Amino acid sequence: DAMVIQNPRYQVTQFGKPVTLSCSQTLNHNVMYWYQQKSSQAPKLLFHYYDKDFNNEADTPDNFQSRRPNTSFCFLDIRSPGLGDAAMYLCATSRLEGRDIQYFGAGTRLSVL
Amino acid sequence: AQSVTQLGSHVSVSEGALVLLRCNYSSSVPPYLFWYVQYPNQGLQLLLKYTSAATLVKGINGFEAEFKKSETSFHLTKPSAHMSDAAEYFCAVSGLGGGGNKLTFGTGTQLKVEL
Repeated sequence: DAMVIQNPRYQVTQFGKPVTLSCSQTLNHNVMYWYQQKSSQAPKLLFHYYDKDFNNEADTPDNFQSRRPNTSFCFLDIRSPGLGDAAMYLCATSRLEGRDIQYFGAGTRLSVL
Repeated sequence: AQSVTQLGSHVSVSEGALVLLRCNYSSSVPPYLFWYVQYPNQGLQLLLKYTSAATLVKGINGFEAEFKKSETSFHLTKPSAHMSDAAEYFCAVSGLGGGGNKLTFGTGTQLKVEL
């Protein structure tokens, strides 16, 4: 019955090797978000989509890209992962932007070797 | 601009004792406030949400929070802690205007429940 599904739950990649994280939703929500959460820190918003409109946070590195091919799916691409990119990556959805409740997936924990 | 401050990165209580997790906010517009809980290696789950309808908000698992505008606070409480409450708790604010299209989280409070 999971509504926001992230795959894989754990991902190991090598320094500099591109990696893609996946998120899907069954809620038919308009908005999908990607957060980066490092150990013992608050989630940090990387970007979000409102439908097909992409909204990048000003301080999100160019190394991070995203794609949303349809309402249900959203991908996070890390073009050249560095050791500092090791973190939990959380996907969330909401019906509307801003003030609406966000529903989170279980996250993908990325390790960079 | 909006921000949230959570006082106490770690809180420890005995099972059955009162839980009080503190959150103060700053917002240039009437805020929407949220408490989320995160269990180890899991995503965030909504506990409760304040939307100005009522100052005392009841959430899941026996938690509640009271919005106090004069104190700019939204503290989370539970009368009697249970071992299963051990987790990390995040307060978050959402507003309108600059940065209003996103949720701003506090740095989190790790709750430990001891026997």
